[in-house]
Amino acid sequence: GEDVEQSLFLSVREGDSSVINCTYTDSSSTYLYWYKQEPGAGLQLLTYIFSNMDMKQDQRLTVLLNKKDKHLSLRIADTQTGDSAIYFCAERGRGKAAGNKLTFGGGTRVLVKP
Amino acid sequence: DSGVTQTPKHLITATGQRVTLRCSPRSGDLSVYWYQQSLDQGLQFLIQYYNGEERAKGNILERFSAQQFPDLHSELNLSSLELGDSALYFCASSHGGQGAPEAFFGQGTRLTVV
Repeated sequence: GEDVEQSLFLSVREGDSSVINCTYTDSSSTYLYWYKQEPGAGLQLLTYIFSNMDMKQDQRLTVLLNKKDKHLSLRIADTQTGDSAIYFCAERGRGKAAGNKLTFGGGTRVLVKP
Repeated sequence: DSGVTQTPKHLITATGQRVTLRCSPRSGDLSVYWYQQSLDQGLQFLIQYYNGEERAKGNILERFSAQQFPDLHSELNLSSLELGDSALYFCASSHGGQGAPEAFFGQGTRLTVV
């Protein structure tokens, strides 16, 4: 079955880079996603990567995918206080039974200190 | 603004009651997903509809049901409510099928059962 794991917490200084890690078990995942959730808000799609790619860069965000190890990471360059939030990794399975549903990790709470 | 609209934003109701949560997907999106977010269970996939038909089913209780209407909006019905049903309920939409893989979330409905 599908399982997505993330570390619970990350503390980083403003201006440094943040790296949030995620592991997943479904080898048939087609897309992997990163979402951001601020307090009291919904989930904001940050970026996604197709499973046959190794890297995707979008402004301050860099996604790395190691398909062999089923490891996904999100690097945020020049982290700002506004980046403090919970970050969720998600994978989309393949096949009719999976539909296009996303399976989420438990979220990593990122705290940016001034 | 993700373009996905959920109403109401907050709902307080008593145990044993029945409520209906509503979701309007982004323009052009055919798929609607429902998720439940609680502190102990994280983000759990409930059910997906694609163009009016059920596509995938997750950990949805028998007391819960959903449907997608011809205008593509969706409703999640929760009945015989229990204290443990208190959670944030999210709707997401995507194009579905072979379309773009992005899934966008609404702001959620916070349900409190007292």
